[in-house]
Amino acid sequence: AQSVAQPEDQVNVAEGNPLTVKCTYSVSGNPYLFWYVQYPNRGLQFLLKYITGDNLVKGSYGFEAEFNKSQTSFHLKKPSALVSDSALYFCAVRDMNYGGATNKLIFGTGTLLAVQP
Amino acid sequence: AAGVIQSPRHLIKEKRETATLKCYPIPRHDTVYWYQQGPGQDPQFLISFYEKMQSDKGSIPDRFSAQQFSDYHSELNMSSLELGDSALYFCASSLDGSSYNEQFFGPGTRLTVL
Repeated sequence: AQSVAQPEDQVNVAEGNPLTVKCTYSVSGNPYLFWYVQYPNRGLQFLLKYITGDNLVKGSYGFEAEFNKSQTSFHLKKPSALVSDSALYFCAVRDMNYGGATNKLIFGTGTLLAVQP
Repeated sequence: AAGVIQSPRHLIKEKRETATLKCYPIPRHDTVYWYQQGPGQDPQFLISFYEKMQSDKGSIPDRFSAQQFSDYHSELNMSSLELGDSALYFCASSLDGSSYNEQFFGPGTRLTVL
């Protein structure tokens, strides 16, 4: 079964410092990976995705993620954190069955990012 | 840009009552997904529709049903509500149901069952 793991419940970082939110995946076949952000009482906002191609994916709000096949990781990064980046971040993988990728997303448990001023 | 619209935003029901949640996808999006997010949990896939046909099914209770209409909006019908059904229900939409296309989420409907 497809799955993603977010090993950190919370990440704390000072404003202006680089941030990393970790995600590892377990899939059969090629993974389709996504990052979403959720602000309090809001829906999930799409940040970026990896389908194929360059391992470094650039997304919204200055975020990027690096796909690493050997380490089965897809960590989210940003060079300089902002207080407004404080939110809940979800890594997700597209589910697969014998016919190929299905539509549904399987989410990690989420990582709360807290950026201190 | 137009986003996914969900109504109502908040809903309070008693046990054993019924509820209907509505979702209006982004214009031209033909695929709709429903997810349930319990307190402090990650979203769990319930069901999806592509071109008005059910395309995938997840952990959706038999008490729940859903459909997609000719204008691509979708409704999630929930009957015999239980306390455990209290959650945030998200609808998402995407274009042509392709695995490559990201899903755009609505703001959610917060259902509270008393």
